[in-house]
Amino acid sequence: DAKTTQPTSMDCAEGRAANLPCNHSTISGNEYVYWYRQIHSQGPQYIIHGLKNNETNEMASLIITEDRKSSTLILPHATLRDTAVYYCIVRVATIRDMRFGAGTRLTVKP
Amino acid sequence: GAVVSQHPSWVICKSGTSVKIECRSLDFQATTMFWYRQFPKQSLMLMATSNEGSKATYEQGVEKDKFLINHASLTLSTLTVTSAHPEDSSFYICSASGQTGELFFGEGSRLTVL
Repeated sequence: DAKTTQPTSMDCAEGRAANLPCNHSTISGNEYVYWYRQIHSQGPQYIIHGLKNNETNEMASLIITEDRKSSTLILPHATLRDTAVYYCIVRVATIRDMRFGAGTRLTVKP
Repeated sequence: GAVVSQHPSWVICKSGTSVKIECRSLDFQATTMFWYRQFPKQSLMLMATSNEGSKATYEQGVEKDKFLINHASLTLSTLTVTSAHPEDSSFYICSASGQTGELFFGEGSRLTVL
């Protein structure tokens, strides 16, 4: 699986959009970009994934650059409950295991 | 969405005893489940891949005789920490793959070995 690079930590004001970047410059054509988050002392929670098109669901939007070397997870209106560690993972969909990097610790502040 | 449940959510045991953690997929069948370990302020580390009806595949550095994995049915995998010691205290998390490739995770089981 391709390696990803994320900022160690970020802050966001409550009610504002949180934009979490991820660099995956060595991504290959059949690898998807997945985002998970982990709230303290809980198991990771699936957020969204995509291959090359931008994706949106009830939780977030995923913007993938045209060259697919980076992506941004957008939480449109961050709340205090969105404070968590966010993991960007690149993986071939048919490979079922998932390897986690250090992630970005997002702190939403009132 | 798919649900994966772990039990117990936390356990305290004495050094030298064995502890079993269960992982169940509640609304789907999982031929493959995964076990992770997470130490404080660190990321999740994959320990092993649990395959229904066959032996588990362990990651490098994970002792298969210490962390026994059994995947006897399509909805249940168990992790037994044998002869637990304080250094085995950790947050253990299981996951299972859904139909479309995303992984669903259990709530985690916190083990404290005294």
